[in-house]
Amino acid sequence: DAGVTQSPTHLIKTRGQQVTLRCSPISGHKSVSWYQQVLGQGPQFIFQYYEKEERGRGNFPDRFSARQFPNYSSELNVNALLLGDSALYLCASSLYAVDYSGNTIYFGEGSWLTVV
Amino acid sequence: SQKIEQNSEALNIQEGKTATLTCNYTNYSPAYLQWYRQDPGRGPVFLLLIRENEKEKRKERLKVTFDTTLKQSLFHITASQPADSATYLCALDKAGKSTFGDGTTLTVKP
Repeated sequence: DAGVTQSPTHLIKTRGQQVTLRCSPISGHKSVSWYQQVLGQGPQFIFQYYEKEERGRGNFPDRFSARQFPNYSSELNVNALLLGDSALYLCASSLYAVDYSGNTIYFGEGSWLTVV
Repeated sequence: SQKIEQNSEALNIQEGKTATLTCNYTNYSPAYLQWYRQDPGRGPVFLLLIRENEKEKRKERLKVTFDTTLKQSLFHITASQPADSATYLCALDKAGKSTFGDGTTLTVKP
């Protein structure tokens, strides 16, 4: 079975541009979460979606937005890119909402975003 | 504000020894805590989850303890192997939001 797949794997954008990152969860998983990981730090929670509804939001500006589609895939959008947005963006999927005890979370390999 | 601290220094141990990694937290009452392994350039891999009402959990060579009074979790790898070398992350979860520590890099020398 395929794991969590993310695209693109690497991309370079210019300041002020917009970017869309995509995630396909493991088949049957209804929950998708997005994280930002800067080199040397742990992942920072951005959003969680479950059954196409936003279930959690981290401390990120409104330039960050996301959505989940009927097939449970998800997109993360970042507008007006800043140099500080350069990071590894991780998508994680799980069968249940994250606050369900005993839920196993599976991460994708991430999308490396460089803003120049 | 919520804060998670993992071993401030990288951990270097000899093969066969037990590695013990620490996760301390403040200003937080997590429903459960998770440990992940992350290799360079890869996404984190889930290892273990422990609930707030559980004291200890084991999986093969891994053991996790969770002390909500001390606000601390300990992660043990027994009979460590060079293949266990990686960064280990702890994450606290409550109400759908996960907060990660910055990780501890473990190196197991043959």
